[in-house]
Amino acid sequence: NAGVTQTPKFRILKIGQSMTLQCTQDMNHNYMYWYRQDPGMGLKLIYYSVGAGITDKGEVPNGYNVSRSTTEDFPLRLELAAPSQTSVYFCASSYRDRDLEQYFGPGTRLTVT
Amino acid sequence: DQQVKQNSPSLSVQEGRISILNCDYTNSMFDYFLWYKKYPAEGPTFLISISSIKDKNEDGRFTVFLNKSAKHLSLHIVPSQPGDSAVYFCAAKVGGGGNKLTFGTGTQLKVEL
Repeated sequence: NAGVTQTPKFRILKIGQSMTLQCTQDMNHNYMYWYRQDPGMGLKLIYYSVGAGITDKGEVPNGYNVSRSTTEDFPLRLELAAPSQTSVYFCASSYRDRDLEQYFGPGTRLTVT
Repeated sequence: DQQVKQNSPSLSVQEGRISILNCDYTNSMFDYFLWYKKYPAEGPTFLISISSIKDKNEDGRFTVFLNKSAKHLSLHIVPSQPGDSAVYFCAAKVGGGGNKLTFGTGTQLKVEL
């Protein structure tokens, strides 16, 4: 049971490039989330999903897209990367409402220059 | 608008003593509060939670207190151990679908020998 896995661990992008951050969970969780953490700040929710085929915006969705075609995977797409997207990105998952605890992946550190 | 605030960026405590981490919130619609612990280069891990209908929840060395009238919660760690050195995030959830969490900015706890 690997929990929540994220790839890559690190990435440097040039301004205007695009990339997909991968997230996979093997706990059969319904809910999945993407957060970003900027230096000295808390985690901010980008997008979340309550099940396959269902996604919704969080607090800071601009510049990102998501899809949820399977229960296990929840990729985050960055189009036209900007320096403001330099951050550490965390994916998380949880069961349905009965379980509040979110299980986090190890994060992806992204630098846009 | 920071709905969950942790006003102390850092806290230093001696091993064996009590650590008290504080958190304030502004949204009276929050119905659950959680504490997460984060080590460097890892994702946050769930520590303890409390429902808004309770004023205390205890789990081993960790106790969370909630004062709804003051919109304040605190995490007590007794006794503190060097392995407790980490960043602690307070998070809160509004009732409803999605289990979306709002995080504070974190407090870096250092437990010294």
